[in-house]
Formats: sequence, C-alpha cells, structure tokens
Amino acid sequence: QSVLTQPPSVSSAPGQRVTISCSGSTSDIGNNYVSWYQQVPGTAPKLLIYDNNKRASRIPDRFSASTSGTLATLDITGLQTGDEADYYCVAWHSRLSAMVFGGGTRLTVL
Amino acid sequence: QFQLQESGPGLVKPSGTLSLTCTVSGASITSYWWNWVRQPPGKGLEWIGEVYHTGGTKYNPSLVSRATISADKSKSQLSLRLSSVTAADTAVYYCARGHQKGSNSRKFDFWGQGILVAVSS
Repeated sequence: QSVLTQPPSVSSAPGQRVTISCSGSTSDIGNNYVSWYQQVPGTAPKLLIYDNNKRASRIPDRFSASTSGTLATLDITGLQTGDEADYYCVAWHSRLSAMVFGGGTRLTVL
Repeated sequence: QFQLQESGPGLVKPSGTLSLTCTVSGASITSYWWNWVRQPPGKGLEWIGEVYHTGGTKYNPSLVSRATISADKSKSQLSLRLSSVTAADTAVYYCARGHQKGSNSRKFDFWGQGILVAVSS
C-alpha cells in the first residue's frame, strides 16, 4: 500500500482534459515538494513536473500541476493518444526520511 | 551526452545477494544525490535509497536492513547490493539522478533504462 494515494485509473477523450489526484499528509505533500512522472509501459519514467508546479525541460504546457494542503493534482489538457501512460506522484516524507511514491494512475485516452 | 546505464546479473538465486552497477557518462557524479528505484512486474515504483559521492546514504525504511548503496567518483559509478533476496525482489531496477546537495528540490530528473532482475532458483 502506497503512502501517497492516487486513483488507479482515469480516462478521457482526445482533446479533453483530465485531472489526476495525489493525496498525502503533512509529512509529505503538506510540507515538501511534489514531482510527477510519466511512464509509458516498458520504458523508464520521465520527469514531468517538479517543485509542485514547475515543468521539466521540453514538457509542453498542456501539463500543469498544483498543490493545496496535502493534495497534489496533475492536469493534462488537449489530451493526445500519446499521453496514454502511467503517472506517478512522489514526495519526500519527513518522518520516514524517505521518498514516497503514489501507487500510479493509468491514463486511457479513449 | 548525459546517460545512466544499469548493469549486472539478470538472475539471482533466492537468499543470495543482488548486485547492480549504474555507470554515469557525460557528467560527474559530484554535486548530486543518486538514487535507486525499483518496479516489480505490473506494479508501481518503489524508492530504494540514495547516495552522495562522499558516501552519505539514505534508505527506504523497509529495505534498510538489506540494502547497501555506494558511489565511486573515480569511475562515475553507483552500486546497489540487496541481500537475502526473495521472489518479491524480482523487479526492474532503475538508477536516477536526484537532487543537488543542499537543495530541497527533490526530484528524479534523469533515469537509466532499467534492468530486470529475477530472483529464482
């Protein structure tokens, strides 16, 4: 069971918008930076967002993220079939002194 | 060109020790923390731990009794040893660059391609 909680799956149509949530606590999301990763099955994860809301190099502005309290969200607009992947949130957990991952969310673009 | 490449045996016997190396090319391993992350087949990502080139380490509490991570600055290599392995340790193992020393901007911005290690007799 993951420390950070994500929905197992989300889906939406091409061109639409989807939001992926990541719920944690004051020990992680509430007081430390969140980063988000995209993983196409069979490949290594790729950094999308870091420091809660900063896009990594060459990541299009269709991808955005925010945090509020102990909840982090990733927004993807203008969905493309190429966005189909697993998405993970990660944060430092101050009490565990460890990086903790969400369980991952599978995005399906119908 | 900056690259990370994992290497090591793809098969380890139960109760044995898993040993992997990550070679960093195109940049020095100084100034950053370097991480190991694993992913069992069909499952999510799990942080194993991190190392700084001077030897400082941090580990996932669930693996601290079995994991050892080290760094060799002269070879630009990181190493992972995981002892007393079982089938539950079967996973793709990734090395990834972490945050700069002194920064709280924790992220994994560069990843190796990963290496599948199976634990089986």
